[in-house]
Amino acid sequence: EDQVTQSPEALRLQEGESSSLNCSYTVSGLRGLFWYRQDPGKGPEFLFTLYSAGEEKEKERLKATLTKKESFLHITAPKPEDSATYLCAVQALALNDYKLSFGAGTTVTVRA
Amino acid sequence: EPEVTQTPSHQVTQMGQEVILRCVPISNHLYFYWYRQILGQKVEFLVSFYNNEISEKSEIFDDQFSVERPDGSNFTLKIRSTKLEDSAMYFCASSERSGTPNQPQHFGDGTRLSIL
Repeated sequence: EDQVTQSPEALRLQEGESSSLNCSYTVSGLRGLFWYRQDPGKGPEFLFTLYSAGEEKEKERLKATLTKKESFLHITAPKPEDSATYLCAVQALALNDYKLSFGAGTTVTVRA
Repeated sequence: EPEVTQTPSHQVTQMGQEVILRCVPISNHLYFYWYRQILGQKVEFLVSFYNNEISEKSEIFDDQFSVERPDGSNFTLKIRSTKLEDSAMYFCASSERSGTPNQPQHFGDGTRLSIL
């Protein structure tokens, strides 16, 4: 069974204080690892897809990286609008299996 | 930017009643999904749908659940006889098909289902 563990559960940052979120995963074969942002009362909003170890993706103040066992989401000089829950999900490399298995998320709060 | 639309945003139903949750996926997408999120828990996969049939389902998706694409735009989730434990946020998602099934899934804002 695919397992996704995110840490920490919650992160409180001062505006401008960079930090990293961790996503550890166990999957028989990785088709893709996905990062989403979820605001309260909203659905997950797609951020990045990573496919292979060593890959990196960037979007504004966010940068995602991938190894064979974990992924990191780096937030550089965060602003209050970066406050959200960040979800990591994996998609296994299996026939006709495209479901996402999600972690519990990291709730980030950025104070001005 | 195209988005997945879900209605209603909140549904309150008596236990034992049937409920239908509706979704309009992004227009050029061909893979459709339902997930749910019980308050304070992870987002969980329920079912995937492609080419007018279920392609995969989880253990949660038992005989009380069904999905349908009644026309070219809507995708519905029906719960036949609701239970208290069905209370959750239900998310619809869709992804395009371009020869690479691991295209990102795009989510709607969900229907909050409350069973009384």
